[in-house]
Order: sequence, then C-alpha cells, then structure tokens
Amino acid sequence: EDQVTQSPEALRLQEGESSSLNCSYTVSGLRGLFWYRQDPGKGPEFLFTLYSAGEEKEKERLKATLTKKESFLHITAPKPEDSATYLCAVDFQGAQKLVFGQGTRLTINP
Amino acid sequence: GAGVSQSPSNKVTEKGKDVELRCDPISGHTALYWYRQSLGQGLEFLIYFQGNSAPDKSGLPSDRFSAERTGGSVSTLTIQRTQQEDSAVYLCASSLAGTDTQYFGPGTRLTVL
Repeated sequence: EDQVTQSPEALRLQEGESSSLNCSYTVSGLRGLFWYRQDPGKGPEFLFTLYSAGEEKEKERLKATLTKKESFLHITAPKPEDSATYLCAVDFQGAQKLVFGQGTRLTINP
Repeated sequence: GAGVSQSPSNKVTEKGKDVELRCDPISGHTALYWYRQSLGQGLEFLIYFQGNSAPDKSGLPSDRFSAERTGGSVSTLTIQRTQQEDSAVYLCASSLAGTDTQYFGPGTRLTVL
C-alpha cells in the first residue's frame, strides 16, 4: 500500500537550534514530493517540489532534500515564526492526487 | 494574483441537513481537487476534476457526497444528510494541470451538531 510517514510527530526547538524533519515514502513511480507549511486555521502553503533523488531546494532557513526512499526538511537557525505544521505529500504514477503524511508540528521557542 | 478562495469559511449545521461548500480556483488552473482534514488525521483526498469532468472520485466516502464543477472554474462540494463524522475542514486546491503543484485555499470548517 502506498504510504507516507513523517517523523517526528512533534518537535520543540529553541530559537537558533537547527534540526531536520523526515518524510519516508513507499510508493511506486514517484512523480514528485511536495513540502507544505500549515499554520493553525489556514490551508497548506506550498514550499517545495522535489522530482528526483539527489535534488535539493532552498528557501530562507529551509532546505529540502530527496533520496529514493525519503526526504528531509532541514531547518537552520529557526525563528519563532517558523513554528507551524510541516506536511509532506507525494504524487505518483497512476494517481491524480496527493498522498499526505500526518505532518510534523514544529514549535520554536524564543 | 488571487489565490484559491473558499466559502463559507465556517459552517455549522444540524445533523441531517444538506450543505454546499464552494471553491474558486486560481484563474487558468484546469485541475481542481477536494481534500478533507479531520482532527488527528492527515489530509484525505476526496475528488479530482480536470476541466468539468471528474476522472477520479475514489475518495468520496459515501453517496451522500457529490461535487460538480462548471465552466472549468468554480466547484461545489455537496454533502447530503450530514452526519457528525462529516465534521472536518474541507480544503480545495488547484493546479495548472493534473501533475503540477497544487495550491490550497483556506478551507471551510464544517461542524455538524
């Protein structure tokens, strides 16, 4: 069964403390892996798309990487405004939809 | 430019009533998707439109749920005879084509009493 698993479920960091979020997937024919950020009461906000193993994308304090089995979202020197739930989703051959992980709830304390 | 918009933002209804949720996609986006996000659950796919047709309705949980899209633009998700388990945030997304990045609206929070 196609599956997307994110870890940890929740992560609490101090401001400036770098860390990584993990997204592992078991799908056939990956077409793209997506990272979204979701703030409470809002819809998911698009961050990155990764298409092939070895690809990396960066935006401000965030960097996303992709291997054949998983993706990492690295956050460097985070600030309190980076607090949110980070969602990973995959698009794969034969499907016209995104399959989402459960998300990682990230809290950055000042 | 304008993003995906949804209305209403909140809807409270009584069990057994019908509700309609609306989605206005980004102009020019041919693909439109509905997802549901329940407390403690991830985003769950409901239905996909390409233009006005729905090639994938596999995520609709029961025949009480239906959706349509007109003019290749606005979509309406209808839930008939609502049940308490229908309470969730209903999210709409659109993309330029079926395999492109999906951009989400703010969602409609549905509460069934």
